[in-house]
Amino acid sequence: KQEVTQIPAALSVPEGENLVLNCSFTDSAIYNLQWFRQDPGKGLTSLLLIQSSQREQTSGRLNASLDKSSGRSTLYIAASQPGDSATYLCAVKGGSEKLVFGKGTKLTVNP
Amino acid sequence: DAGVTQSPTHLIKTRGQHVTLRCSPISGHKSVSWYQQVLGQGPQFIFQYYEKEERGRGNFPDRFSARQFPNYSSELNVNALLLGDSALYLCASSLAGAGGEKLFFGSGTQLSVL
Repeated sequence: KQEVTQIPAALSVPEGENLVLNCSFTDSAIYNLQWFRQDPGKGLTSLLLIQSSQREQTSGRLNASLDKSSGRSTLYIAASQPGDSATYLCAVKGGSEKLVFGKGTKLTVNP
Repeated sequence: DAGVTQSPTHLIKTRGQHVTLRCSPISGHKSVSWYQQVLGQGPQFIFQYYEKEERGRGNFPDRFSARQFPNYSSELNVNALLLGDSALYLCASSLAGAGGEKLFFGSGTQLSVL
């Protein structure tokens, strides 16, 4: 059974800081890994999708890496801004075609 | 282009009642999935439908059911509501629900059971 763990559960940083969010998964047989952003009480916004054959994806200030063999992914956020405050969720898609999510990392960027 | 749309956005029900949640996928998408997100947790998979057929089901009781219509929209039904069914219900769509595809999520329906 696939399990996804996200560390830390919460993170508070000052504006402008570079930061890394971590995601680990137990079964390396995945199709892809997706990072999402969720604002309180809202739906999910997809940030980055990494296919199993890829090592990383970049979008603006965001960079996500994937090491499938070790079951790890990181989301790097450069020059953090107060608007980046949200919960960040990692999800993997395996053979059952469903997404398995972690519990998320709640990020607070202080002005 | 419209994204995944869900209705209603908020719903309040009492224990024992029945609820129907609705989802319209992105135009051209034929696969719809439903997820339940309890406060403080990650979303949990409930169902996936493709071409009106159930393709996958998560670990939820039979009180939960769903269907997909010829226009690929979908309904999630929950009978005999319990307090623990209070959650954000998310719908996601993709082209064919195949392995490497990206899922696009709606804004969700917030269900409160009193």
